[in-house]
Amino acid sequence: GENVEQHPSTLSVQEGDSAVIKCTYSDSASNYFPWYKQELGKRPQLIIDIRSNVGEKKDQRIAVTLNKTAKHFSLHITETQPEDSAVYFCAASKNSGYALNFGKGTSLLVTP
Amino acid sequence: DTGVSQNPRHKITKRGQNVTFRCDPISEHNRLYWYRQTLGQGPEFLTYFQNEAQLEKSRLLSDRFSAERPKGSFSTLEIQRTEQGDSAMYLCASSFLNTEAFFGQGTRLTVV
Repeated sequence: GENVEQHPSTLSVQEGDSAVIKCTYSDSASNYFPWYKQELGKRPQLIIDIRSNVGEKKDQRIAVTLNKTAKHFSLHITETQPEDSAVYFCAASKNSGYALNFGKGTSLLVTP
Repeated sequence: DTGVSQNPRHKITKRGQNVTFRCDPISEHNRLYWYRQTLGQGPEFLTYFQNEAQLEKSRLLSDRFSAERPKGSFSTLEIQRTEQGDSAMYLCASSFLNTEAFFGQGTRLTVV
C-alpha cells in the first residue's frame, strides 16, 4: 500500500519567515496530493491540493510543488503569521474521492 | 452548521463494552469516509462508502469494527468488545464524488 513520509515533525519559525514541509510517497499510482491544517482540538481542514498533471499550485501565501518522478511534494508558506501555527498533514491518494494516506504531521509554531 | 456532524463528541467506555458512533455528512455528499487518529499521528483510513455501498475497508478494520450507511445518508461505526488500543479520535469525512473531502470534528473514544 501507499506509504507517506513527512518531515520535519516540528518546525519553529519567526513571524514573517517562510516555512517548508516536505513529503514523499511510495505508490506511483497516487495522483492526488492534498494538504490539511489541523488546529488543536479542531477538525482537519483542506488548505491546498495538487494533482499529478500540475507541477505547482499557489493560493496567496501558500504554494505546493510536486515532483512526480522523485515522488515528493512540498508545502511552502510565505510571510508566516502566528495564526499559521497548527499541525499540517500531507496526504496522497489515487484520486480525490478515494482513501487518503496521511503523513504523520508537522507541528508548525510561528513566534511573533 | 451545515458541515459534517459527528456524535457523540466524547465517549468513555469500559473495556469489553460496545460503542457506536454516528456521522451525518454534508447533505449532497455521496461519499463518506471513516478515519482513526491517535495522538501525534495522521488520520488512518478505515473504510468508505459511496451511497450505501461500502467500497473499501482497511486491514485496520478488524472484525470487531463494523460500519454501515443504510440509506446512503448518515453512517454508524460500531466497535464491539472495546480494547484500550481502540482509544483514539474517530473522524468522519464526506465528499461529492471526486471533490475534496470535508472532515467532521470527530468522536474521541477513551477505553478505561
